[in-house]
Amino acid sequence: DAMVIQNPRYQVTQFGKPVTLSCSQTLNHNVMYWYQQKSSQAPKLLFHYYDKDFNNEADTPDNFQSRRPNTSFCFLDIRSPGLGDAAMYLCATSRGGQGASNQPQHFGDGTRLSIL
Amino acid sequence: GNSVTQMEGPVTLSEEAFLTINCTYTATGYPSLFWYVQYPGEGLQLLLKATKADDKGSNKGFEATYRKETTSFHLEKGSVQVSDSAVYFCALSDLQKLVFGTGTRLLVSP
Repeated sequence: DAMVIQNPRYQVTQFGKPVTLSCSQTLNHNVMYWYQQKSSQAPKLLFHYYDKDFNNEADTPDNFQSRRPNTSFCFLDIRSPGLGDAAMYLCATSRGGQGASNQPQHFGDGTRLSIL
Repeated sequence: GNSVTQMEGPVTLSEEAFLTINCTYTATGYPSLFWYVQYPGEGLQLLLKATKADDKGSNKGFEATYRKETTSFHLEKGSVQVSDSAVYFCALSDLQKLVFGTGTRLLVSP
């Protein structure tokens, strides 16, 4: 089945140790998103790629970076994780272009990040 | 800016009860509206959507109607099941992004 796949499902890292989360998709969607979701809250958009164009949200800390080497893959890099970065990280995709506002986003199951 | 307001939870119901989760929005123009559901430990799944006024989205017994006059998109289900226990998010499209409500937790007991 076409889907959005996030690896790993659970990631533990040490305070200050860089960590990378990955996302792949078989939907051939041109837009990919990264969200941070903390307990009992709505997902918070960190950034998104429209094709190769990177769009950062104004309040996303510099500690968070992203790479999209091709249409199918997108990575979230946290350069120096702090305790406050412990959260669920969700990847999503959608089809961009004309009429795109009608298109839903398709989410992966997320990676739960813990910081020791 | 655009925003979505949902009723606070948790909503606690017995199996087979009627469900309503209220959602109202503020937006310029006519956004598409969505309901997403999140089961424990999982990502968000699209439950239903509506793209214009008076559209009714439906799926798995859930329904919501896009009401422009009241700027609302309330989620309803006639008879809930224990398996419907989850967090429900109302959202609207804002260009290429989604604006989410805060989510409403639904707890259904046998």
